[in-house]
Amino acid sequence: SQELEQSPQSLIVQEGKNLTINCTSSKTLYGLYWYKQKYGEGLIFLMMLQKGGEEKSHEKITAKLDEKKQQSSLHITASQPSHAGIYLCGADGRAGNNRKLIWGLGTSLAVNP
Amino acid sequence: DGGITQSPKYLFRKEGQNVTLSCEQNLNHDAMYWYRQDPGQGLRLIYYSQIVNDFQKGDIAEGYSVSREKKESFPLTVTSAQKNPTAFYLCASSIFRGGQSYNSPLHFGNGTRLTVT
Repeated sequence: SQELEQSPQSLIVQEGKNLTINCTSSKTLYGLYWYKQKYGEGLIFLMMLQKGGEEKSHEKITAKLDEKKQQSSLHITASQPSHAGIYLCGADGRAGNNRKLIWGLGTSLAVNP
Repeated sequence: DGGITQSPKYLFRKEGQNVTLSCEQNLNHDAMYWYRQDPGQGLRLIYYSQIVNDFQKGDIAEGYSVSREKKESFPLTVTSAQKNPTAFYLCASSIFRGGQSYNSPLHFGNGTRLTVT
């Protein structure tokens, strides 16, 4: 079955540093979603990527989907304590009427002031 | 503002009791989902519904039941048959365009943490 692998599993950075989180699939992704979650809360939608080579930015967060549509990266520039949380990637594993979403296990990010 | 409301935030029950988790959305979304989140296991789909009065089992439906009588509401009942019900439960919704819901992001509620003792 298709899986999404996220790396690293956890990350601790100093405030102001840049960081990158990766999300990799063994098969083509039809839609790739990035979410952020604070402990004990729901997932907040960050960005959606659909096309190979696509790149989107929101404030200091940039997400990219590679040309083969099998890997996505989330890059945070000049990290702040407010960026701390768990980042999850999710993807549509196949096309069709019955949706099949697959999820990574998440990357836990801590930002030290 | 539109959104998804899950209630209650914390729920405590004795073993052997059924319990119902509420999920209401005012986003006018056709599709709704229930996930369970456990440490180290990621999100696992329990049930989903693409239209009113219709729903499908997800990967871990055993011990759970749902109903979809209204577009806005998708309650989840955790029955006494669920062997390990203590978990964080998340409800979500998405657009369902022209018979297809992929390529539309899910919008999540804030979750309900259920503890069964």
